[in-house]
Amino acid sequence: EEQLLESGGGLVQPGGSLRLSCAASGFSFSTNGLSWVRQAPGRGLEWVSGITGSGSSPYYPDSVKGRFTISRDNSKNTLYLQMTSLSAEDTAVYYCAIGRMGSLDVWGQGTMVTVSS
Amino acid sequence: IVLTQSPGTLSLSPGERATLSCRASQSVSNNYLGWYQLKPGQAPRLLIYGASTRATGIPDRFSGSGSGTDFTLTISRLEPEDFAVYYCQQFATSPRGYTFGQGTKLEIK
Repeated sequence: EEQLLESGGGLVQPGGSLRLSCAASGFSFSTNGLSWVRQAPGRGLEWVSGITGSGSSPYYPDSVKGRFTISRDNSKNTLYLQMTSLSAEDTAVYYCAIGRMGSLDVWGQGTMVTVSS
Repeated sequence: IVLTQSPGTLSLSPGERATLSCRASQSVSNNYLGWYQLKPGQAPRLLIYGASTRATGIPDRFSGSGSGTDFTLTISRLEPEDFAVYYCQQFATSPRGYTFGQGTKLEIK
């Protein structure tokens, strides 16, 4: 069974940094692109970063470019999201997901990030 | 590409047919258009990919159609568990990235 498990969420002060992890199992990790998607309280889904299977080509929306860095360790079957200069607007549940055929077909259960003083 | 979903809220009864719309500001390349169901406290669930292909395990009462800039998700006969929020999503290859619509809330009438 294909599974993703996020971790690393928590409470962080404005201006702070946080690194999320996503442990994968049950599929060929290095041959699949992955993404991070978030949902702020009471808001819709927002894609915040993606990376190709090899890890050589990360990509971001303008809303987080320069603050978020996606990476992966194919030897550990783990995806990461390094977030810096966090603000209250970054408060959300963060999901990792597998990207295939132009869609995100397997999702983790999410990890909550709260930015507050 | 901006995705606009309509209506914002749809009030229907179990057994009725639901029609949800998603309009793109530009043509969606390769028909990379997906539909998701989101319930409180749960991860999003992919229903449809490639505009019209049901994902694994999705009941056949869910169907997707459309191409270019206009797409539709149809639920033929609503079951109680279908009341949720639905999002459409597109993937562009240049520049590479995903976009979601703002969602349609399907509520029990």
